[in-house]
Amino acid sequence: AQTVTQSQPEMSVQEAETVTLSCTYDTSESDYYLFWYKQPPSRQMILVIRQEAYKQQNATENRFSVNFQKAAKSFSLKISDSQLGDAAMYFCAYRSARYGNKLVFGAGTILRVKS
Amino acid sequence: GAVVSQHPSWVICKSGTSVKIECRSLDFQATTMFWYRQFPKQSLMLMATSNEGSKATYEQGVEKDKFLINHASLTLSTLTVTSAHPEDSSFYICSAPMDRINSYEQYFGPGTRLTVT
Repeated sequence: AQTVTQSQPEMSVQEAETVTLSCTYDTSESDYYLFWYKQPPSRQMILVIRQEAYKQQNATENRFSVNFQKAAKSFSLKISDSQLGDAAMYFCAYRSARYGNKLVFGAGTILRVKS
Repeated sequence: GAVVSQHPSWVICKSGTSVKIECRSLDFQATTMFWYRQFPKQSLMLMATSNEGSKATYEQGVEKDKFLINHASLTLSTLTVTSAHPEDSSFYICSAPMDRINSYEQYFGPGTRLTVT
């Protein structure tokens, strides 16, 4: 079974600075998707960024980028120019490309942004 | 973007009663929907996969008779918590992937906060 590990329960960053959230996963599959979701205090899950495993290029969405290391099974999220609105819980998630749409979530990282 | 709604957003019920939570995909069809449970500052725990027109698939450790799931149409899944107890108090979230080839994105409902007194 696939597992997703987020080893940082909480992180803090100063406004306008850069922060990196870590995520590792375990799978025997070669084709899959990885996601970072943001859950603000409203608790609505918001997709931040996604990565297809077959793509070597790291995904980027504005201030959010990932460092995808397939061999190391690592998928970190970098947030540049952090803003107060980035404060939230962030979840890393895995989805098989072949076997259904089920998402496997990590434990989450609470990100605090200091002004 | 695609929208998933949940109703109610917050419900308070007395111990021993049943409560129904609805999950609707508003602008797309979803033959599959997922139900999660989330405790404060914890991750989403998958409870079951709701399948349109067939029985739900429950995760290990989830009581089928306590958490009844019905997926009667391509846009609606319901979760009924039967004989609720205070330990069932939690935040329940549904999600639905769009039924489209190569679609990998899931759309989440806003969640339902259940408080059992």
